[in-house]
Amino acid sequence: GDSVTQMEGPVTLSEEAFLTINCTYTATGYPSLFWYVQYPGEGLQLLLKATKADDKGSNKGFEATYRKETTSFHLEKGSVQVSDSAVYFCALSYSGSARQLTFGSGTQLTVLP
Amino acid sequence: KAGVTQTPRYLIKTRGQQVTLSCSPISGHRSVSWYQQTPGQGLQFLFEYFSETQRNKGNFPGRFSGRQFSNSRSEMNVSTLELGDSALYLCASSLAGGADTGELFFGEGSRLTVL
Repeated sequence: GDSVTQMEGPVTLSEEAFLTINCTYTATGYPSLFWYVQYPGEGLQLLLKATKADDKGSNKGFEATYRKETTSFHLEKGSVQVSDSAVYFCALSYSGSARQLTFGSGTQLTVLP
Repeated sequence: KAGVTQTPRYLIKTRGQQVTLSCSPISGHRSVSWYQQTPGQGLQFLFEYFSETQRNKGNFPGRFSGRQFSNSRSEMNVSTLELGDSALYLCASSLAGGADTGELFFGEGSRLTVL
């Protein structure tokens, strides 16, 4: 079946550091890929998405590119802020069942001032 | 615009009991999905309801059930509770219509503890 694998956390960075959170997937078809973020005390929120190979999703300075050849969707940000501290989830779904997301295990990010 | 509202936020039950959780989606959203979040298994899809009909179902036993009302509000029920049902249950709503971008909007969850 389908699965999503994220890098183990927690990740601790200093403010203005470069961030990469690795995400790879195993899929039987051609899924859409997502990054969701969960800030402390809040529900999950969509951060960005990509629906086909080579698409780049971006939002709030975060970027991720859908790489079919390496089955990856790594999340990057050039300069993190304290306010980026949260749990980040990589996920996939198919257009026929778009609300049935398969999630990775989540990566806790802490940014220190 | 109000977000997804889940009630109750916290509850404690004992093994063998049953529980009902409620979810009010964002106004205008017609699809409601439910997820279970545990430290061991992570986030797992339970089921999705659209127009009062279950549209997709995850790999959970029949003790887990749900329904959706005509106003799109949804409930999920877990019968004969087991210790392993202790989890955060998340509800997510989406438009599921012509303007749907596929984005899910999540509530803060109902935390169930089974003793």
